[in-house]
Amino acid sequence: IAGITQAPTSQILAAGRRMTLRCTQDMRHNAMYWYRQDLGLGLRLIHYSNTAGTTGKGEVPDGYSVSRANTDDFPLTLASAVPSQTSVYFCASSDSRGGDLGEQFFGPGTRLTVL
Amino acid sequence: GQNIDQPTEMTATEGAIVQINCTYQTSGFNGLFWYQQHAGEAPTFLSYNVLDGLEEKGRFSSFLSRSKGYSYLLLKELQMKDSASYLCALMDSNYQLIWGAGTKLIIKP
Repeated sequence: IAGITQAPTSQILAAGRRMTLRCTQDMRHNAMYWYRQDLGLGLRLIHYSNTAGTTGKGEVPDGYSVSRANTDDFPLTLASAVPSQTSVYFCASSDSRGGDLGEQFFGPGTRLTVL
Repeated sequence: GQNIDQPTEMTATEGAIVQINCTYQTSGFNGLFWYQQHAGEAPTFLSYNVLDGLEEKGRFSSFLSRSKGYSYLLLKELQMKDSASYLCALMDSNYQLIWGAGTKLIIKP
């Protein structure tokens, strides 16, 4: 692995189903993020984690949960999917411990459709 | 609160210069980022400004005026591969990125 990966690449999901989007990075970055991107809107932060073992809510956290059991993995779970969660989901990571720009590196994205 | 504005779409000619503007309002500021995003792909980092002035990186330059809440991205010698969306994002007082909706740049031959 080089960088940050996401799985699946795309998914069609029935409303009401549970779904976990996976994200793994091998850059040993302390911070990780989940965004959704919808047409005409900027990237919106769902949840974030500044370090393993901690998580925080972003701008649009409702209907989503995350966990950060270790440095590399940051899965996003939709407990009961709804059509408004149809979107492209990006995972990102950054090294925000100082001495760095803190720029975020993005995974390739997961295109999720909820019917 | 925070607010970021950038034009929805711009068109330019191959070989020319284009300036993409970004204005913002924020109560906390720790820098301004520009990212490039090709259709169907992930955003990639282009530039970062935290102090007023111009940062140059090859064909791309970024300018910041903190007092005016204004930044621009300048692209020179445009190439067809520069057709993409350009995202302006400010880092707030909590070191989180707040994103503009992006400017879609269309390059014509």
